[in-house]
Amino acid sequence: AQSVTQPDIHITVSEGASLELRCNYSYGATPYLFWYVQSPGQGLQLLLKYFSGDTLVQGIKGFEAEFKRSQSSFNLRKPSVHWSDAAEYFCAVGGGADGLTFGKGTHLIIQP
Amino acid sequence: AAGVIQSPRHLIKEKRETATLKCYPIPRHDTVYWYQQGPGQDPQFLISFYEKMQSDKGSIPDRFSAQQFSDYHSELNMSSLELGDSALYFCASSVGDRTYEQYFGPGTRLTVT
Repeated sequence: AQSVTQPDIHITVSEGASLELRCNYSYGATPYLFWYVQSPGQGLQLLLKYFSGDTLVQGIKGFEAEFKRSQSSFNLRKPSVHWSDAAEYFCAVGGGADGLTFGKGTHLIIQP
Repeated sequence: AAGVIQSPRHLIKEKRETATLKCYPIPRHDTVYWYQQGPGQDPQFLISFYEKMQSDKGSIPDRFSAQQFSDYHSELNMSSLELGDSALYFCASSVGDRTYEQYFGPGTRLTVT
């Protein structure tokens, strides 16, 4: 069965500092990996995805993620965070016509 | 750009009542997914449809049923509602087997009292 682990429930970062959110996955085949962001009471917005090819993928809002098969990881990074990045971030695995399996999420707090 | 439309956005029902949630996918998207997100929880996959046929099934209770219609919109029917059904219900859509990107709607907040 597929699963996703986001080890950090909360992360606090100062505005302008760099960010890395961790994600580890378990999947029986080549994984399709996603990062979504959710503001309170809102829907989920797709930040970026990995299907195959280049293991460093670029997304929207200045985010990037690196797929590391040997570590079963797909960590999300941003070189300089803005106050508007405060939100809940979900890593997910799966795809096609199958449902996604989400991690428990990481709540990002931005300090001024 | 057109997005996934869900209606209603908010719904209040009493225990043992029924509810119907509707989802209108992005134009030309032929796959629809339903998710349930409890307070402070991650989204849990319920069910998906591809070309009007059920494609995948997750943790959908037997009290719930869903279908996709000829115009690709989908409805989630929930009967004998329980307090624990209170949650955000998301619909997502994608272009079948040609892409794996699921685009989420704004959700329907269901409150069962």
